[in-house]
Amino acid sequence: AQTVTQSQPEMSVQEAETVTLSCTYDTSENNYYLFWYKQPPSRQMILVIRQEAYKQQNATENRFSVNFQKAAKSFSLKISDSQLGDTAMYFCAFMTGTNDYKLSFGAGTTVTVRA
Amino acid sequence: EPEVTQTPSHQVTQMGQEVILRCVPISNHLYFYWYRQILGQKVEFLVSFYNNEISEKSEIFDDQFSVERPDGSNFTLKIRSTKLEDSAMYFCAGTGATNEKLFFGSGTQLSVL
Repeated sequence: AQTVTQSQPEMSVQEAETVTLSCTYDTSENNYYLFWYKQPPSRQMILVIRQEAYKQQNATENRFSVNFQKAAKSFSLKISDSQLGDTAMYFCAFMTGTNDYKLSFGAGTTVTVRA
Repeated sequence: EPEVTQTPSHQVTQMGQEVILRCVPISNHLYFYWYRQILGQKVEFLVSFYNNEISEKSEIFDDQFSVERPDGSNFTLKIRSTKLEDSAMYFCAGTGATNEKLFFGSGTQLSVL
């Protein structure tokens, strides 16, 4: 079974600053996918970024980027130029390479952006 | 962007009652899922559904739960006899043939009293 660990329950960041969220995972698979989802107070689940394990290049999506360290089984999310709308819970998630979206989620990190 | 629609947004029921949570997936999606999130906890996989049958289910998805896609559009989750611990946000999700992205609905908050 795959486990996903987010060790930071809460993070606070000043508007326009950068914040990095950590995520580690445990798997014996070689082919898999990693995701970061954002859950604002509305509780909608919004995909932030996706990384394929076979790709060495780190995924980026506008102000969001990841640092994927496959050997260390680490997948951190960096939010640059934080905006008030980034305030949300952020979940790291793992999926095996079968492409069946049975996601394993971490416990989440609450990010608060201060004005 | 297309949306997955879930109704109702909030359902309150008495313990022991049956509930049906409804989802209208995006029209060209083929794979469907239910996840749940107990307040303050992580999101958990319940079941996946493809070609009108269950592909995989978690330990949570016991005999009290069932899913179906009765008319080719709606995708439902039924809980036969609700328990207090079934109180949670239930998310429907779907993806198409290329599996590029999983689209989540906005969720149904189930409160069992």
